[in-house]
Amino acid sequence: QVQLQESGPGLVKPSQTLSLTCTVSGGSISSGGYYWSWIRQHPGKGLEWIGYIYYSGSTYYNPSLKSRVTISVDTSKNQFSLKLSSVTAADTAVYYCAREDTAIDYWGQGTLVTVSS
Amino acid sequence: DIQMTQSPSSLSASVGDRVTITCQASQDISNYLNWYQQKPGKAPKLLIYDASNLETGVPSRFSGSGSGTDFTFTISSLQPEDIATYYCQQYDNLRVLTFGGGTKVEIK
Repeated sequence: QVQLQESGPGLVKPSQTLSLTCTVSGGSISSGGYYWSWIRQHPGKGLEWIGYIYYSGSTYYNPSLKSRVTISVDTSKNQFSLKLSSVTAADTAVYYCAREDTAIDYWGQGTLVTVSS
Repeated sequence: DIQMTQSPSSLSASVGDRVTITCQASQDISNYLNWYQQKPGKAPKLLIYDASNLETGVPSRFSGSGSGTDFTFTISSLQPEDIATYYCQQYDNLRVLTFGGGTKVEIK
């Protein structure tokens, strides 16, 4: 059973960089076949796909966030990470990491990140 | 970019009722359409993949149909535990995901 767990600060100041890490257990990122994604959900709102990374390091980002997003992978630790720069209050959301193929079959529990001074 | 229009945004139905949610894509997406259920405070759960395939372990009262631009998600007999928000999601050849706006299902 694959499990994903997000970790990182729950509070980030405006203009700073949001950094989250997802630790995967029960399966290996480097085995291939899946994309490892970040998705967010603004409070009381719908789901927004942020982007994904493949074990090889190839990435694809949501065009609306592309200029501020970096997703990286550390296969030795079976982790992947999200960095979102120049955050504002509009980036306050629950951030989920997930395993993606053509559907998302495994999700982390989500972590609330609040952008506030 | 492909846009997904989901309707209704909310509905109220009685236990045992048949519930139908629709999702329309802004262009032909073949059967590249999935459905999720999200309960408050929880991550979404995959119910239907590739428009009509039931994910393992999901009750058979849930079903999906459609192809091209028009898709339907049905709960054949609404149960109290089905109270949740449901989302459609499409994917393209780059594995970019786009979600519908969601449908909140409540018990009347």
